Amino acid sequence: EAQVTQNPRYLITVTGKKLTVTCSQNMNHEYMSWYRQDPGLGLRQIYYSMNVEVTDKGDVPEGYKVSRKEKRNFPLILESPSPNQTSLYFCASSSWGNQETQYFGPGTRLLVL
Amino acid sequence: EDKVVQSPLSLVVHEGDTVTLNCSYEVTNFRSLLWYKQEKKAPTFLFMLTSSGIEKKSGRLSSILDKKELSSILNITATQTGDSAIYLCAVIGRGGADGLTFGKGTHLIIQP
Repeated sequence: EAQVTQNPRYLITVTGKKLTVTCSQNMNHEYMSWYRQDPGLGLRQIYYSMNVEVTDKGDVPEGYKVSRKEKRNFPLILESPSPNQTSLYFCASSSWGNQETQYFGPGTRLLVL
Repeated sequence: EDKVVQSPLSLVVHEGDTVTLNCSYEVTNFRSLLWYKQEKKAPTFLFMLTSSGIEKKSGRLSSILDKKELSSILNITATQTGDSAIYLCAVIGRGGADGLTFGKGTHLIIQP
């Protein structure tokens, strides 16, 4: 089954404690992206990757890092989480040139105390 | 910077009513506009509208793209409680490399 998986699905953490949210897709997609969703703000892109070792900033990259060492994985790293990063995070993937048909992961709900 | 504005932000109607949701956009080198439905989980794809496909319909849902006015509407007729959701509009431009730019969404509530 074609899918995008994220882990963890729910996470409560404290300010400053480094965390990683994993994202994996099994569709051999070149393009992967991270979004955050906050009430009343829609989805905003954090980072995206066009292929292995190729990443770029989206609209709200501050406080986040990503890596793309393998095609299937695109982890989101919060080196020093802060309460304003409390949000719902979605990973998405698509084949290159077909970003309209993005497959979304189930979401990760993060609470930073 | 690409921009998408949806209206209204919130809407409450009774079952059976018809609703129209609006989306206006500013995007460099417009490529496509998409509508999604989100119910407490990841967004699910509804429609894609492009310069060559400006009207789409699926059951009680339909959508039109107005390229001149840089806007789109999503119509839902004979609404049901299962239509309650957040409806998101998104655009892709600039070759698509930087992905989707979303609006803030319209929170639609259908009352029995």
